[in-house]
Amino acid sequence: AQSVTQLGSHVSVSEGALVLLRCNYSSSVPPYLFWYVQYPNQGLQLLLKYTSAATLVKGINGFEAEFKKSETSFHLTKPSAHMSDAAEYFCAVSLKTSYDKVIFGPGTSLSVIP
Amino acid sequence: ETGVTQSPTHLIKTRGQQVTLRCSSQSGHNTVSWYQQALGQGPQFIFQYYREEENGRGNFPPRFSGLQFPNYSSELNVNALELDDSALYLCASSYLAGTSGYNEQFFGPGTRLTVL
Repeated sequence: AQSVTQLGSHVSVSEGALVLLRCNYSSSVPPYLFWYVQYPNQGLQLLLKYTSAATLVKGINGFEAEFKKSETSFHLTKPSAHMSDAAEYFCAVSLKTSYDKVIFGPGTSLSVIP
Repeated sequence: ETGVTQSPTHLIKTRGQQVTLRCSSQSGHNTVSWYQQALGQGPQFIFQYYREEENGRGNFPPRFSGLQFPNYSSELNVNALELDDSALYLCASSYLAGTSGYNEQFFGPGTRLTVL
């Protein structure tokens, strides 16, 4: 069975500091991997996706993630945190079967301290 | 291009009642998926509809059912509501072109359901 774990339910960083949100997945076959962001009282917005092309994926708002097969990881980073980055972040995995099913991790709440 | 919309925004029901949530897919999309997001958790896959038929389902009981209409709008119906059904319900639309490749899902803002 496929699953996603996110280390740290809450992460706090200072404005301007590095953001690192951790994600590990389990999958029997190479998956598609995603990071979504959710702002309060809003739906999910796709930050970036890995679909078996380049292992370093660049997304919106300065975020990027690196797919490491040997570590089954897909950590999300941003060099310099901004106040507007405060939100809930979800790592997700999808396998291409007869239908698209996205499995989400439990989420990490990011706080940015001024 | 119109994005994914959902209605209503908020809904309050009592235990045992039935509820219908609605979703309008993004233009050109032929697939809709529904997710349940309990407070403080990640979304959980309920089911997916493709060309008006259910083509995938998560671990949800039969009292969760759905419909997809020819215009690709969709409904999620939940019968015999339980307190644990209180959650944010998200729909996502995509264009399914075949059985290989990746089909990005675009999410709506969700419907917040409270069961008292």
